[in-house]
Amino acid sequence: SQQGEEDPQALSIQEGENATMNCSYKTSINNLQWYRQNSGRGLVHLILIRSNEREKHSGRLRVTLDTSKKSSSLLITASRAADTASYFCATGTSYGKLTFGQGTILTVHP
Amino acid sequence: GAVVSQHPSWVICKSGTSVKIECRSLDFQATTMFWYRQFPKQSLMLMATSNEGSKATYEQGVEKDKFLINHASLTLSTLTVTSAHPEDSSFYICSARAGDTGELFFGEGSRLTVL
Repeated sequence: SQQGEEDPQALSIQEGENATMNCSYKTSINNLQWYRQNSGRGLVHLILIRSNEREKHSGRLRVTLDTSKKSSSLLITASRAADTASYFCATGTSYGKLTFGQGTILTVHP
Repeated sequence: GAVVSQHPSWVICKSGTSVKIECRSLDFQATTMFWYRQFPKQSLMLMATSNEGSKATYEQGVEKDKFLINHASLTLSTLTVTSAHPEDSSFYICSARAGDTGELFFGEGSRLTVL
């Protein structure tokens, strides 16, 4: 079953703007991961944040995790047209089983 | 970086036939592999967890007799869709967990179209 709920379902912005996507989950987690998927392609791992971490950065990506609210956010700063893709959060167990959220379709207009 | 290869990347078959999809870890040993299914414009749904040398564990609602999973070696897991029907048309994605580091790596997916 799908644990994560993401919002917005779709986000359309102009190049240079920031994009924020949110993810909520229901049960306790070991870690939370964010993935990107270009249309018809496989998944690209973006970032993993552990349950004892609150914020993590990687390049233009910033992920926060609030375990008390069971929520996470992904911020992409200074977006580019090449960032256009679907973004999924996934909660993970220690042995690798992932439960994916519904995803956010991001469109960045040049 | 570690690579997981899926083959075929796309396949078209007639209704009633069986289709096998392979998932290979190319430069690491995968003690566990996971199979996901993704319908158009939807998220990934876990179908089953495959452990080398043992029977796969299927998620609720996934028919184990229809989706046969074999994980015969530490680098290969196969998913066979038996007696495929048009409703089985989907994007199937595997992931492999490296036994030494625990990292997860995804394949590029296999698109199945059943006519």
